[in-house]
Amino acid sequence: DGGITQSPKYLFRKEGQNVTLSCEQNLNHDAMYWYRQDPGQGLRLIYYSQIVNDFQKGDIAEGYSVSREKKESFPLTVTSAQKNPTAFYLCASKTSGSSYEQYFGPGTRLTVT
Amino acid sequence: GENVEQHPSTLSVQEGDSAVIKCTYSDSASNYFPWYKQELGKRPQLIIDIRSNVGEKKDQRIAVTLNKTAKHFSLHITETQPEDSAVYFCAASKDTGFQKLVFGTGTRLLVSP
Repeated sequence: DGGITQSPKYLFRKEGQNVTLSCEQNLNHDAMYWYRQDPGQGLRLIYYSQIVNDFQKGDIAEGYSVSREKKESFPLTVTSAQKNPTAFYLCASKTSGSSYEQYFGPGTRLTVT
Repeated sequence: GENVEQHPSTLSVQEGDSAVIKCTYSDSASNYFPWYKQELGKRPQLIIDIRSNVGEKKDQRIAVTLNKTAKHFSLHITETQPEDSAVYFCAASKDTGFQKLVFGTGTRLLVSP
């Protein structure tokens, strides 16, 4: 399971608290992505980044924030403004080269009560 | 923006049968269509993809077809095996390089021995 890692696997928080999910890759990929996965809704894009110090909002960015200070790292913060934060969060990365595949991490299941 | 619809949501087949999963997309500018497989508790993995300049692509028991005029594409699995049981996601993107993917809602395939 090397390449792209996410920690922790399970995360529990109280409502009103911010929480940061980790995503690290050693694939030397330029692009990184955060998705949210809910039952019956597929994967929805939260934020994405093509290069260091640059990122763009995806389709459901409200209540989330990211940073891309290093090529290897793309942490996601779930803020208290996110109305329904309980979900499975997947990070992915992709080379800017000829491969089209997005490589996914193992995911973090966040439960907010 | 792009919208991807996927059917059926669940599909049960007997081992050895064929399985077909269909997706439609709304944005005619989309030009890249990957299929990801997600086994229970695991990360999604790319199994096959197709670009808009190709009508069909095969890889052993898996094939994908694309009809640009009708804006739909399909995944075909022949001689299904129990290990094909998983959730399959289709996706569409306007850019193979950076790839802002829009995913379908997923199809749970169950192959019974």
